[in-house]
Amino acid sequence: NAGVMQNPRHLVRRRGQEARLRCSPMKGHSHVYWYRQLPEEGLKFMVYLQKENIIDESGMPKERFSAEFPKEGPSILRIQQVVRGDSAAYFCASSQEDRGVAFFGQGTRLTVV
Amino acid sequence: RKEVEQDPGPFNVPEGATVAFNCTYSNSASQSFFWYRQDCRKEPKLLMSVYSSGNEDGRFTAQLNRASQYISLLIRDSKLSDSATYLCVVNFGNEKLTFGTGTRLTIIP
Repeated sequence: NAGVMQNPRHLVRRRGQEARLRCSPMKGHSHVYWYRQLPEEGLKFMVYLQKENIIDESGMPKERFSAEFPKEGPSILRIQQVVRGDSAAYFCASSQEDRGVAFFGQGTRLTVV
Repeated sequence: RKEVEQDPGPFNVPEGATVAFNCTYSNSASQSFFWYRQDCRKEPKLLMSVYSSGNEDGRFTAQLNRASQYISLLIRDSKLSDSATYLCVVNFGNEKLTFGTGTRLTIIP
C-alpha cells in the first residue's frame, strides 16, 4: 500500500527551461493538492484537482505554471521558463473523496541555476 | 487577517516539560481541523485530527473552541524527538486544506 509518490525527488533546471513534477496519489484517492514551500517559509496552496478537473487554482501564478490530473497516470505540475524564484520544495498531497485528511509525498526539490 | 494564524515561535522547551500551541482561524463555517508535524526538509505528516469534543493520543491533546475560533495542541512530558514544526490545518468546507505557517518547537536536553 504505497503512499503518495513524487518524482523526481530533486530537480535542477537552468533558467528558461521547463520543469515537470509528477505525483501519484495513494491508491483509492481521487483528490490531489499541490503546495509550494520556499526556504524557511510555510506551505502555500497552489492548486487542487480531481480526476480530469481543476477544482481550485487560486494559488497558482497566472503565467508559466499549469497542472493536470488525467484520467490515467499521475498528476503533473508544469513550470515553463523557470526563474530562480521558482526554486522551492513542491509537495503533493492526496485524499479520499469526501475526506479532509490528506497525506503528503516526500516532495520535489527544484533548484534553478 | 490570515485565514489560519499561528505563533511562529520558536518555542525552546526543556525535556519533560509541557508545551501548548494555539491556532486561530478566520472562517466560522470551517468544517475540519488537523495538526500536522513537519521535520526539517521533510514532508508534513498528520499528527492528529481535532474533534469538537477534544481528543487525546498518548502525550498529545487537541482541543477545538468553535466559539472563539481556535484550536490548541498540548504536548505533555516532551521528548527530544518532539522537536519539529507543528502546522495547524483547516478545511474551510471546500476540500482545500489551508495551512498555518507553523510553530517551531525545540526540546532542549
